Formats: sequence, structure tokens, C-alpha cells
Amino acid sequence: DSGVTQTPKHLITATGQRVTLRCSPRSGDLSVYWYQQSLDQGLQFLIQYYNGEERAKGNILERFSAQQFPDLHSELNLSSLELGDSALYFCASSVAAGGFYEQYFGPGTRLTVT
Amino acid sequence: ILNVEQSPQSLHVQEGDSTNFTCSFPSSNFYALHWYRWETAKSPEALFVMTLNGDEKKKGRISATLNTKEGYSYLYIKGSQPEDSATYLCASNYGGATNKLIFGTGTLLAVQP
Repeated sequence: DSGVTQTPKHLITATGQRVTLRCSPRSGDLSVYWYQQSLDQGLQFLIQYYNGEERAKGNILERFSAQQFPDLHSELNLSSLELGDSALYFCASSVAAGGFYEQYFGPGTRLTVT
Repeated sequence: ILNVEQSPQSLHVQEGDSTNFTCSFPSSNFYALHWYRWETAKSPEALFVMTLNGDEKKKGRISATLNTKEGYSYLYIKGSQPEDSATYLCASNYGGATNKLIFGTGTLLAVQP
């Protein structure tokens, strides 16, 4: 158990809908990252927050947004969902923002868009 | 586009065999290299983070080396056990203060008892 929690574990929804994925980092970690794993691709970095502020952005679609709250939990909002958004979404956390800090991954949220 | 490549894609070995995998990454502006172990139905688990050329890290029967000049890292498993069966991912980092990781597609290791 990494200490990172994600809810829900599974989510099934229809095209055009909007969903929110939630992540709580390990106690003491200030940085949160979101990743997407689709069937045909490896882990793709979406976005990073550090202590409430956006720090880095990957190939995150405009239909997706995220934020980190004062208690350091983070939410990833996915809207106007398409079939291709079906994937496993991971949240990870690290103690700080630097590149040499280990990232601890949560169990993931499996999103199925029908 | 920064590309991290891992080989082989998959590997089947017998219990007790030693094995190794390769991770290749662009060496320009390199900052750190991460290795993760990912078991089926679980989440990736951090193994090592390496930053310096010539770095070697070890955890039990698993060790890793880093060559930042030529852009590769090796992961070694000595005396493989069935519980070592997993996908081994490497990820490179080029950010300064950011921690954006670029992942390879992994090497799937299956250890037969």
C-alpha cells in the first residue's frame, strides 16, 4: 500500500458526460501527478500540482482539468467524455517537485465510457 | 518528442535464472531515471531513482546501473523467483523543478517455477 488513495475504483459512464476522479496523496507529500494509461499506450503524464499550484502540463486535453485543494487532495475533471477516454487513470504523489523524488502511485481509477 | 524505449518487450525465464533488461532514453538535458515494478492488478511501485553517470543501486536481488552519456540503464534480477513476475517500467525526467516522467512501455517478466 503506497499511502495514495483514489476514488472511485471503477466508473462507467456514457459519452458526453462529465466525471470527477479524486486523489489523496501520501501524508506529507506536496506534489500530485495525474497519468493516463490507455490500452495501446504506456503511462502518459497529464498534469502536476505542487502545493496547490499547477507545476507542469503534459498532453492533457482541453476537456480535462484538474486542481489541488488546500488540504492537498486533487481532483481530475473529465468532461464531454468520448469512447477514447476509456482508460486507467493513476494519481501519484511525491514529497516535493524535483525530478529525483520517487513518485508513489495510487491504485488507479478505471474509467469506461460507453 | 522524447522517447523512452525498453527491451525486450517480454521475457520468460525459469526460476533461478538471472536476467536483465534495457532502458534507452535521450541523454540530452537528462536529469533522472526512475525504475518501477508493476504487478498485475496493482499500481506501479518505485524501485530506484538514479541521477549520476555510473550510478548503481541495489535492492535485494534487483540492481540497476545508469549511463547518462550514452543514454541507457540496465536492470538486473539475480536468481529470479515467481514473485518477481511483473512489468518493469523505466521513466526519464528532464525537468528542472518539475517531475514530469516519460515512461517506456515496459518489459513484462514471467518467471516459471
